[in-house]
Amino acid sequence: NAGVTQTPKFRVLKTGQSMTLLCAQDMNHEYMYWYRQDPGMGLRLIHYSVGEGTTAKGEVPDGYNVSRLKKQNFLLGLESAAPSQTSVYFCASRTGQTYEQYFGPGTRLTVT
Amino acid sequence: TQLLEQSPQFLSIQEGENLTVYCNSSSVFSSLQWYRQEPGEGPVLLVTVVTGGEVKKLKRLTFQFGDARKDSSLHITAAQPGDTGLYLCAENTGTASKLTFGTGTRLQVTL
Repeated sequence: NAGVTQTPKFRVLKTGQSMTLLCAQDMNHEYMYWYRQDPGMGLRLIHYSVGEGTTAKGEVPDGYNVSRLKKQNFLLGLESAAPSQTSVYFCASRTGQTYEQYFGPGTRLTVT
Repeated sequence: TQLLEQSPQFLSIQEGENLTVYCNSSSVFSSLQWYRQEPGEGPVLLVTVVTGGEVKKLKRLTFQFGDARKDSSLHITAAQPGDTGLYLCAENTGTASKLTFGTGTRLQVTL
């Protein structure tokens, strides 16, 4: 059981470039989430999904898109990266039975 | 949007000392979780509290939920270097149980 995995671990982008972050979970969880973590601000929810084929906006969705084509994968896309999107991105998942969210190890993204 | 304030922001103590960190809200929590995050890793759940006045213990960690469910505390007895990390409180909101996180307390325990 790998739990929640994220790829890549690190990435440097130039302003205007695009990229996709991949989150995968092998626990058959229904719910998946994308957060960003910035110094002094805790974690903030970007987008989430309550099941395969569904997505919804969180607290800070602007500049990001997501897709959940398969139950085990949740993709986060940046269409045109901006320096304000420099952050550490965490993916999480959970079952429908408990409140506990399981987090991946994070992706550190720098936009120059 | 509910604001979760954690205090203190930073805490540096020596091994063996006791400490308490706090999580306060502008409104009533439905339920509250405490997570610990170590450098380079994602947060890991420590405990979930649901009922006002609830006290839960996890080895040397004691979690308390305020009677009015607007505040919570985490007390560590005889801190050890392995307790070093970022402690985050988070509230579950909505049917999708989205988490709203506090800003965290960064704890460093030295020998």
